[in-house]
Amino acid sequence: GQQLNQSPQSMFIQEGEDVSMNCTSSSIFNTWLWYKQDPGEGPVLLIALYKAGELTSNGRLTAQFGITRKDSFLNISASIPSDVGIYFCVANQGGKLIFGQGTELSVKP
Amino acid sequence: NAGVTQTPKFRILKIGQSMTLQCTQDMNHNYMYWYRQDPGMGLKLIYYSVGAGITDKGEVPNGYNVSRSTTEDFPLRLELAAPSQTSVYFCASMVSTEAFFGQGTRLTVV
Repeated sequence: GQQLNQSPQSMFIQEGEDVSMNCTSSSIFNTWLWYKQDPGEGPVLLIALYKAGELTSNGRLTAQFGITRKDSFLNISASIPSDVGIYFCVANQGGKLIFGQGTELSVKP
Repeated sequence: NAGVTQTPKFRILKIGQSMTLQCTQDMNHNYMYWYRQDPGMGLKLIYYSVGAGITDKGEVPNGYNVSRSTTEDFPLRLELAAPSQTSVYFCASMVSTEAFFGQGTRLTVV
């Protein structure tokens, strides 16, 4: 089946640092999504991307839809302790949502 | 609106038992999904539905069944529970491209 390769798998950073993570696929997708999962909760949508090359921000989060439509990037600026959680890239393939493996973020105060 | 509601939150099953995980949404969304999440892993799609009366297999459908008789409800059935089905199960519904997830059902098969 389709596979999204997300990296890194985990990150340990200091509060205030910037964070980057990315997602690649061998397939082309028309929509890329970024979700965050807090411990014990279901994932929640952070950013949705609909056009190749699109750059979209949501507060301190910025995501980009790769020009080839096979990748996407998420940046978090000036991290804070509540950024802790697992971040998933998700591709929408005709109504099927396909998840990457996740990037687990830990932030040291 | 309650959003997506899953019951139960926790369950322990013995090998070979059967159970139904309930999922209901009050947002009138056509798309609904069942995922499982194993420790340290992403979410794997079990089954999904694009509307009442229509269901389709995802990546890992073996050992599960679903039905979608109404827009609101999308139950997931395990007929013969196996230890490999120990996982956290998430139900979701979607409008446009935003999916809303339930809080999960933590299932242990012993």
